[in-house]
Amino acid sequence: QQNVQQSPESLIVPEGARTSLNCTFSDSASQYFWWYRQHSGKAPKALMSIFSNGEKEEGRFTIHLNKASLHFSLHIRDSQPSDSALYLCAVKRTNTGKLTFGDGTVLTVKP
Amino acid sequence: NSKVIQTPRYLVKGQGQKAKMRCIPEKGHPVVFWYQQNKNNEFKFLINFQNQEVLQQIDMTEKRFSAECPSNSPCSLEIQSSEAGDSALYLCASSLINQDTQYFGPGTRLLVL
Repeated sequence: QQNVQQSPESLIVPEGARTSLNCTFSDSASQYFWWYRQHSGKAPKALMSIFSNGEKEEGRFTIHLNKASLHFSLHIRDSQPSDSALYLCAVKRTNTGKLTFGDGTVLTVKP
Repeated sequence: NSKVIQTPRYLVKGQGQKAKMRCIPEKGHPVVFWYQQNKNNEFKFLINFQNQEVLQQIDMTEKRFSAECPSNSPCSLEIQSSEAGDSALYLCASSLINQDTQYFGPGTRLLVL
């Protein structure tokens, strides 16, 4: 049974700060690693994904995966108030398989 | 932006009543998922389909929930006898087979009184 844990539960940062969100998972057979973002009252939206160990950068966002440590993370550079949302990490084993989500980190970016 | 359509957006039922919600996946997406998001933001996978066939479902879904994805019709999720603990946001997502991104709809918020 996959167990996905996120930390911290909530985070308040000033505009322009660098933000780091963490996710640990328990199933070493996991192959696909996602970060989703959900603004209040909206659908979760895929932000970034990674499938092999290492780092991937897209704009202000960087995702880092260490499968041996069962850990991946999301880093946001120059955080903006519009980044305020619930961030969900998610893991799955197969291409068409279910996502197992963490309980989320609520990020608030203060102007 | 996701083009998954879910109806209705809100649903209010009494305990013991049936609750039915629908999902139209993105055009061309053969894989459909249903998730339940509770008030603590915890996600629970319910069931997924590839075309009309069930790929995987959890015990709860087998007992009180029924779901289908008929060809040329919206997918649906129905709770046979609603319980207070079923109050949640029900999210539908769809994906291609060889691309693993799941695109979510806005959800149906169910309140069981």
